[in-house]
This record gives sequence, C-alpha cells and structure tokens, in this order.
Amino acid sequence: DVKVTQSSRYLVKRTGEKVFLECVQDMDHENMFWYRQDPGLGLRLIYFSYDVKMKEKGDIPEGYSVSREKKERFSLILESASTNQTSMYLCASSLSGYNEQFFGPGTRLTVL
Amino acid sequence: GQSLEQPSEVTAVEGAIVQINCTYQTSGFYGLSWYQQHDGGAPTFLSYNALDGLEETGRFSSFLSRSDSYGYLLLQELQMKDSASYFCAVPLYNQGGKLIFGQGTELSVKP
Repeated sequence: DVKVTQSSRYLVKRTGEKVFLECVQDMDHENMFWYRQDPGLGLRLIYFSYDVKMKEKGDIPEGYSVSREKKERFSLILESASTNQTSMYLCASSLSGYNEQFFGPGTRLTVL
Repeated sequence: GQSLEQPSEVTAVEGAIVQINCTYQTSGFYGLSWYQQHDGGAPTFLSYNALDGLEETGRFSSFLSRSDSYGYLLLQELQMKDSASYFCAVPLYNQGGKLIFGQGTELSVKP
C-alpha cells in the first residue's frame, strides 16, 4: 500500500515564524503536491513537483515555497507565517500523469 | 476559467440511494475522478471515468457524460459510515498530474 506521511498532525506557530511542513511517500511516485483545505473552499493547490528539484506554482503559491531534494520527500515552507495561513495542509503523491493521488493525513496548522 | 460545481450538502437516510452531481468547465478534458473524505481524515480515491457511461464498484457507481460536461457519483444501500465529503476532480489538460477539485459535497446519512 502507498503510504504518504506528514511530519505533524497538529502544529501551532507564532506570526513571523518560519514553518517547515514535511511530506514523505514510499512508493517512488514522480508527482507530489501540497494543498490547503479551508471550509467552503475545497482543496486548493499550493505547489506541485513532477521530479526532483522541479516545482511549479499552483493556484495559491503566495507566501509559500517548496523544496524537493529527494524523490520521496517534498517540503512546504512558510517563510514568515501569518494568521491567514491557519489551515489544514494536505500532501499528496501520484505515480505519473493523471493517476489517482494518494493523500497524507494532513497537518492542521494554527498561526497565532 | 476552469471550474467544477457540485452541491454543498446532501442528506439521505440509511438504506437509500443518493446521487451527487458534478458539472465541469475545463479547457481540454481527460476524465473525472471522485474522492471521499471523512471528517478529520485524508481524501481517498473512489473512481475515475475517462469514457462515457456508468462504472460500478460495489455500492458505489460513477457516471460520465462528456457531451454534457457532467458526471455523478451514485451511492446505493447507504450506510452511516458513508457520511463524508465527496469531491469531484479533473486533471488539468497538459499540466502534468495537476487536479482541480470541486468544493465538495457533504453527505449526511441519517438513521
């Protein structure tokens, strides 16, 4: 079974802090994604990566950056956390192309 | 722009049948996916339709009409555990593995 893990289930940070969210998948998937999920807004894509060191902006990249140094690991970075980044963050991976995406359990981030 | 529309919530009783509709507007189209997400959980893949017609997987079926830019998820013999949010999603044309998701339909199954 594909397993996607995220570094934390719950995280509380202060405004202005640098925040790292990590995601690891164990099935050698090429594609990895970061979404945020807010009530009434569904899943919105922040960034995705289709190969090591490759990244593309999604719909809402402002205030975020990403890093993919190894195929299995995709990190989301909040350079200077703000209260409007309080949200559920979901990582996903897929084999290639248009295959199904496998999601991690999510990180609920609260920025105070 | 590209968008998917689905009802925000649906309520049904145990044992009944419910249909969750999704209409999409995209430039280019590969197929329509459905995901289920229980409260506090991760979305999980249910089905993918690339061709017109109905595909059945146990109690769940998914339908696609490419000419109408429309699909639906059909849940039969509803159980309490089917209470969840259901998202339709389409891969974006020529954009690798990116998906665009609908805003989700919250299904409540009552006893």
